[in-house]
Amino acid sequence: GAVVSQHPSWVICKSGTSVKIECRSLDFQATTMFWYRQFPKQSLMLMATSNEGSKATYEQGVEKDKFLINHASLTLSTLTVTSAHPEDSSFYICSALDSLRYNEQFFGPGTRLTVL
Amino acid sequence: QQPVQSPQAVILREGEDAVINCSSSKALYSVHWYRQKHGEAPVFLMILLKGGEQKGHEKISASFNEKKQQSSLYLTASQLSYSGTYFCGTEIWGGGAQKLVFGQGTRLTINP
Repeated sequence: GAVVSQHPSWVICKSGTSVKIECRSLDFQATTMFWYRQFPKQSLMLMATSNEGSKATYEQGVEKDKFLINHASLTLSTLTVTSAHPEDSSFYICSALDSLRYNEQFFGPGTRLTVL
Repeated sequence: QQPVQSPQAVILREGEDAVINCSSSKALYSVHWYRQKHGEAPVFLMILLKGGEQKGHEKISASFNEKKQQSSLYLTASQLSYSGTYFCGTEIWGGGAQKLVFGQGTRLTINP
């Protein structure tokens, strides 16, 4: 099956700093990637849709200036959490859409962000 | 737009069966099922694309009733490895692509 990687798998940072999370599709090209956030014991909440070569589309209530998304190539999307605060602590998961398999999304292993 | 799953949680003994339901107030064109273990990313189980479609892999199967706007996931003779949270996802169009909206999840616990 298709493989999606995320880096780092976990990160601890101080309040006010910025954190970049990378999402890569390793064996297929993904024109579309998605970023989700998941709080403990809750569902996955879609934050934004990332399309290669264009601006990301953010879900209602997600601050685009705080969560910067860049999808510069067909295999890489990055999420930067700017000026992170403790309430941004969460599990961030990306997924990549394999257009050759009908709308099947492959999820990365997730990145656990802890902001002190 | 979020699909509704039921039950929210279920506890079984190994070998027992379980059914997880997913329903939507809007028309469903497809249903995706995922399982997530604690601290890990969701793992794809299956997609159901057509009304009346049924799929299965080993002892996990699912059905899709397009008219009733619902899908059910069936776990037969459950194994300890089946424990986790199951999510159904329904597709909606937005941001230039089909995106998934997930239900709130059903936590399945299998005891020996």
